[in-house]
Amino acid sequence: DTGVSQNPRHKITKRGQNVTFRCDPISEHNRLYWYRQTLGQGPEFLTYFQNEAQLEKSRLLSDRFSAERPKGSFSTLEIQRTEQGDSAMYLCASSSPRGLSTYEQYFGPGTRLTVT
Amino acid sequence: QKEVEQDPGPLSVPEGAIVSLNCTYSNSAFQYFMWYRQYSRKGPELLMYTYSSGNKEDGRFTAQVDKSSKYISLFIRDSQPSDSATYLCAMKGTGGGNKLTFGTGTQLKVEL
Repeated sequence: DTGVSQNPRHKITKRGQNVTFRCDPISEHNRLYWYRQTLGQGPEFLTYFQNEAQLEKSRLLSDRFSAERPKGSFSTLEIQRTEQGDSAMYLCASSSPRGLSTYEQYFGPGTRLTVT
Repeated sequence: QKEVEQDPGPLSVPEGAIVSLNCTYSNSAFQYFMWYRQYSRKGPELLMYTYSSGNKEDGRFTAQVDKSSKYISLFIRDSQPSDSATYLCAMKGTGGGNKLTFGTGTQLKVEL
């Protein structure tokens, strides 16, 4: 499978717990993005990596959120002290470093988080 | 006001109909435009991408961009039940980074 993969696909957690999601991008893609999508809305940008460097973060990414991409391959998104408002689909996308393909972002299936 | 406005629908059409999906935007910095299709509980799938005013065709799909009016459209010809999904427009500017700004999505149902 050459697409973007995300794990887990579903996560149910209690308020106050920490959760971590993983994203594996398409193998030759050096750019990786995290988005959040709530019901009835389009995805909202959270953060962006080029290789291992985190180059952009949204105001949506509060102090409870942290993302890493330690070796420039897979990425993790951690949410500490989860709140009910964190319930959403967390989407990962990647794009190629070559020419105009940098603007084509390919999304994974998402991790659906439910905070109870 | 949101930077990207999209009619959420739902839009219901008979099989074989021509479907028109639209977005308007307010940010003149947007220069690259994409359409994504999203099935229920799945990630968005890139359908089309364009960066110039005018039309771009791919099979049954045509993307149209009018930068002077800040208006983009996606046309689906000979619509099929398998086209039933949510269609998201997305845009980005020419600045550094590659943040996409999405519309809210239009839910489309193509009925037999």
